[in-house]
Amino acid sequence: QRQLQESGPGLVKPSETLSLTCTVSGGPVNSTSHYWGWIRQPPGKGLEWIGDFYYRGSVFYNVFLRSRSTISVDTSKNQFSLKLTSVTAADTAVYYCASYHHDVSGFDSWGQGIRVTVSS
Amino acid sequence: QSALTQPASVSGSPGQSITISCTGTSSDVGGYNLVSWYQQHPGKAPKLIIYEVSQRPSGVSNRFSGSKSGNTASLTISGLQAEDEADYFCCSHAGSSTWIFGDGTNLTVL
Repeated sequence: QRQLQESGPGLVKPSETLSLTCTVSGGPVNSTSHYWGWIRQPPGKGLEWIGDFYYRGSVFYNVFLRSRSTISVDTSKNQFSLKLTSVTAADTAVYYCASYHHDVSGFDSWGQGIRVTVSS
Repeated sequence: QSALTQPASVSGSPGQSITISCTGTSSDVGGYNLVSWYQQHPGKAPKLIIYEVSQRPSGVSNRFSGSKSGNTASLTISGLQAEDEADYFCCSHAGSSTWIFGDGTNLTVL
């Protein structure tokens, strides 16, 4: 059973870059059977898909966040990361990393989430 | 790319059945049989309860069922229990390997 855990700063200043890491256990992040991604939830609001990827494949991004988002993988640490540039207060949210098997088109493994506040 | 449309809230009494709708367009819900549903309790991460419109992951109660007609998907919860009180989100493939979520529905068990 895959387990995911987000880490990173809980406070980011406006205009700076938000950087989060997801550490995966219970399976390799270089699995070609799984997609790995990021989803966020602003306070009191719904879920928003940020992007996901599969190992040695393409990375897919939300069209509204594409210009500011970068998702990358570090197989040596069994981790993947999210960088979101030029943040504003609208980027304040709980950020989740999540994954799904390509035979199950739904995110079936989630991290506990990390709350990130954008404020000076 | 607006969020999928869900009712803000629904309610039901224990033992009853409720249905939550999720309306999109022919570019998402109507175009693919790749609709999933998530249950989220306060302060917790979402949990997958339905994928590919009507499939249940292992361990999910058969009281949860999903369906789709045209551009609208639906989640039905039968035999409501107090533990079902939560937020529910739909999600659909939206083309080009992208995903779109619904705004969420708060379920109250009376």
